Amino acid sequence: DGGITQSPKYLFRKEGQNVTLSCEQNLNHDAMYWYRQDPGQGLRLIYYSQIVNDFQKGDIAEGYSVSREKKESFPLTVTSAQKNPTAFYLCASSGGGLSSTDTQYFGPGTRLTVL
Amino acid sequence: QQQVKQSPQSLIVQKGGISIINCAYENTAFDYFPWYQQFPGKGPALLIAIRPDVSEKKEGRFTISFNKSAKQFSLHIMDSQPGDSATYFCAAKDSGGYQKVTFGTGTKLQVIP
Repeated sequence: DGGITQSPKYLFRKEGQNVTLSCEQNLNHDAMYWYRQDPGQGLRLIYYSQIVNDFQKGDIAEGYSVSREKKESFPLTVTSAQKNPTAFYLCASSGGGLSSTDTQYFGPGTRLTVL
Repeated sequence: QQQVKQSPQSLIVQKGGISIINCAYENTAFDYFPWYQQFPGKGPALLIAIRPDVSEKKEGRFTISFNKSAKQFSLHIMDSQPGDSATYFCAAKDSGGYQKVTFGTGTKLQVIP
């Protein structure tokens, strides 16, 4: 099956700990994205990567870090510097081309709760 | 900051009725407008999308109406069903740079029998 997988589905973290959320895609997409979703605030972009070994900050990158060593993988680390990390995290990918109709496809999400 | 304003925040519709969700934008660089449907605990899924050179697009019971001069677009769900109960997000894609997608804040739709 083609698609985007995220793991784990639920993650619990103690304050002061770093945690890493996994995102894998087998759609052969060049671009990958991380969003954070909070109730009533829609989706906010954390980081994005248009190509392997390159990534840029989105609108709310503080307290987060990413890597893009492989085309199919784009892990997100939530560091202890993120003041309010409890949220639903969504990974997405797209072909990354210049076509305006190039659409983002989303994974099932990871719900992170800080205890 | 680029914004897409979405309303209403929540909507209750009877089965068989029409659900209407509205969005407005200001950035004229937006050139693609997708709608996403999200069920609780799941990721958003692309529902339907439109380009600004088209005034209306219909796919089954779902129709997007687009008013370029007013910078507004809307989603109409005809013959709404309980299975349509979900959160709907409008979005707009920027034609420049890496083609950033800006999302509305979402509308939680409940279709009651």
